Amino acid sequence: DIQMTQSPSTLSASVGDRVTITCRASQSINNWLAWYQQNPGKAPKLLIYKAFSLESGVPSRFSGSGSGTEFTLTISSLQPDDFATYYCQQYDVYPYTFGQGTKLEIK
Amino acid sequence: QVQLVQSGAEVKKPGASVKVSCKASGYTFTNYGISWVRQAPGQGLEWMGWISIYNGNTNYAQKFQGRVTMTTDTSTNTAYMELRSLTSDDTAFYYCARGDPENGKTDYWGQGALVTVSS
Repeated sequence: DIQMTQSPSTLSASVGDRVTITCRASQSINNWLAWYQQNPGKAPKLLIYKAFSLESGVPSRFSGSGSGTEFTLTISSLQPDDFATYYCQQYDVYPYTFGQGTKLEIK
Repeated sequence: QVQLVQSGAEVKKPGASVKVSCKASGYTFTNYGISWVRQAPGQGLEWMGWISIYNGNTNYAQKFQGRVTMTTDTSTNTAYMELRSLTSDDTAFYYCARGDPENGKTDYWGQGALVTVSS
């Protein structure tokens, strides 16, 4: 199975900050990478697919980049609704594995 | 609008089976697939498998092989996930999610169904 490793596990930041979350795959995943946001008690919400494509309706402050085995999710200016947990997922090879999650907390 | 509505919470005893449903609306059911993902309380997301609505093909995570069956009913636009031989480790929220076979993205999710396994 492809291992997905996110860093950091926890991130403390303030409203207005620019933050970056990293996701590393144990092998190349040909940019078949998605990012999700999950709030407590809610289903995950798709933010980014194919490494850098913004899902419809998602604010433009979210962006994805990277290639091969290393990918990043950047939030350009944190808003109060952005404090949540973020997951990356590869969908290149079955089983489609997730990273362990990054919890974004208010500083 | 696209919606995936899942069945309600279940409490099962160890060794029992559970079948979770996921009713789709707002799109052409047969043009997409359904993934199943679970999340134990306070833990991360775990991909369980995928079913193509078009041809019924499935792909299960090795961890669940032999214990899970994913099916669909195109007459009611409903997908099902059955998990057998439950243990306390199977206590989790179970989510269905729509998968786009063209670009691979998993875009719409159900609200989740809590399955509790307890004696």
